[in-house]
Amino acid sequence: DADVTQTPRNRITKTGKRIMLECSQTKGHDRMYWYRQDPGLGLRLIYYSFDVKDINKGEISDGYSVSRQAQAKFSLSLESAIPNQTALYFCATSDGQGAIDEQFFGPGTRLTVL
Amino acid sequence: AQKITQTQPGMFVQEKEAVTLDCTYDTSDQSYGLFWYKQPSSGEMIFLIYQGSYDEQNATEGRYSLNFQKARKSANLVISASQLGDSAMYFCAMRDSRSADGLTFGKGTHLIIQP
Repeated sequence: DADVTQTPRNRITKTGKRIMLECSQTKGHDRMYWYRQDPGLGLRLIYYSFDVKDINKGEISDGYSVSRQAQAKFSLSLESAIPNQTALYFCATSDGQGAIDEQFFGPGTRLTVL
Repeated sequence: AQKITQTQPGMFVQEKEAVTLDCTYDTSDQSYGLFWYKQPSSGEMIFLIYQGSYDEQNATEGRYSLNFQKARKSANLVISASQLGDSAMYFCAMRDSRSADGLTFGKGTHLIIQP
């Protein structure tokens, strides 16, 4: 089974709809992240969380909110989706240990806002 | 100013040849980390290699090595003996004090290995 899972894998929605993307992990990591990837661009950080009580904004948090329901779960919400939020969304986790603190990515959620 | 610059949007390389993917970075920190990720057409992000700013030796992981030139602020990925399965997008990324403990990514290089 995958260590970092994302649901749904694909979603098509309409402008103005509220949508939630979910991320779950079995790695036991404290740190979780949400990124988005647009065509021709690298990933950009939306939000990150170091534990259940810690939520931090990333580079592009406007229009998004998050919830850390448990150590293993980190959800990303679009309160009122707009077309320029069409992107590939990745969740990632890390254990916060060592110099590398490697981030492990989920498979991604492809979101289309019409 | 862009923090991570990958100047090669696309590259075509003959199978079995070595390939170098360029990455330059901008930071005023003394302590930072550089990462390379591979993204095949299936979309997942695969960690390849890491170089810490204080690491004295260039990082190596199997066929991957990192040509780290600190004074030039470059961290080029070298893939030796390329294989058809190396065809993918490759992203250089950095973590420093400004990246809010996430990673800052470059725009990527699309590498195509030709038989």
